[in-house]
Amino acid sequence: GAVVSQHPSWVICKSGTSVKIECRSLDFQATTMFWYRQFPKQSLMLMATSNEGSKATYEQGVEKDKFLINHASLTLSTLTVTSAHPEDSSFYICSARKSSGGAETQYFGPGTRLLVL
Amino acid sequence: AQKVTQAQTEISVVEKEDVTLDCVYETRDTTYYLFWYKQPPSGELVFLIRRNSFDEQNEISGRYSWNFQKSTSSFNFTITASQVVDSAVYFCVTNAGGTSYGKLTFGQGTILTVHP
Repeated sequence: GAVVSQHPSWVICKSGTSVKIECRSLDFQATTMFWYRQFPKQSLMLMATSNEGSKATYEQGVEKDKFLINHASLTLSTLTVTSAHPEDSSFYICSARKSSGGAETQYFGPGTRLLVL
Repeated sequence: AQKVTQAQTEISVVEKEDVTLDCVYETRDTTYYLFWYKQPPSGELVFLIRRNSFDEQNEISGRYSWNFQKSTSSFNFTITASQVVDSAVYFCVTNAGGTSYGKLTFGQGTILTVHP
C-alpha cells in the first residue's frame, strides 16, 4: 500500500497563533514530501518540497519564515504556519513520494483544513 | 514549462452514462509522466494511474479507461457506466524534469457530478 496521513484534519485558531501540521507516510519511507495549498474550487498549488535531512525548497512567492517545514525522519514532515492570519485559511495537503517499478508516484494525505479567525 | 489543460470545468451526467474527461498537456521534455488523481468531497486525492511517455498503450481498469495519444498530447479518461460514487474532482497531472519524481503540474480539474 501507500498510505499517507495528516494530522490534524481540522484546525480553527485565533489570528497570531502558530499551527503545526504533521504528514506521515505510514507504510513506506519517503525521502521527499511535498506541501500543497488548495483554495476552494481551485487546483493544488505547490508550496514547497520537503527533503529529509536538509532544508526545504520553497516555490516562488512562498514565505519561508511564514511556512516552516521540517522533515525530521523518513516518515514525517511537518508544516508550521507561524503567526497565522485569516488569509492563511486554506486546505493544506501533503504528499509523499514512493518508488515503485522503477518510477515514482506521489501519494497524498487527506488534507488539513485551517481556519484562522 | 509544463502545462496541463482540462477544458471541461464541470460535467454533469446521469448514472450509467459513459463520460470522458479531456486532458491536453504541454511539455518540452522528451520523457515525462502523466497521472490522473481523483478528489472526492472528503478532499483526499486518490491516485488512479501513472503513464510514462514511452508507453502509449491504452489501459483499462474496471470501469476506468485511459487513452494516451502522444501525437495530440492528450491523455483522456473515460468512466464507463458512471455511478454516483464517481462524483468528484478529477485532476490530470504531469511532472517536471523528465522523471517520475519531478514536481507535479496540475490541471485545473474537472468537477464530475453523477446524478442518480
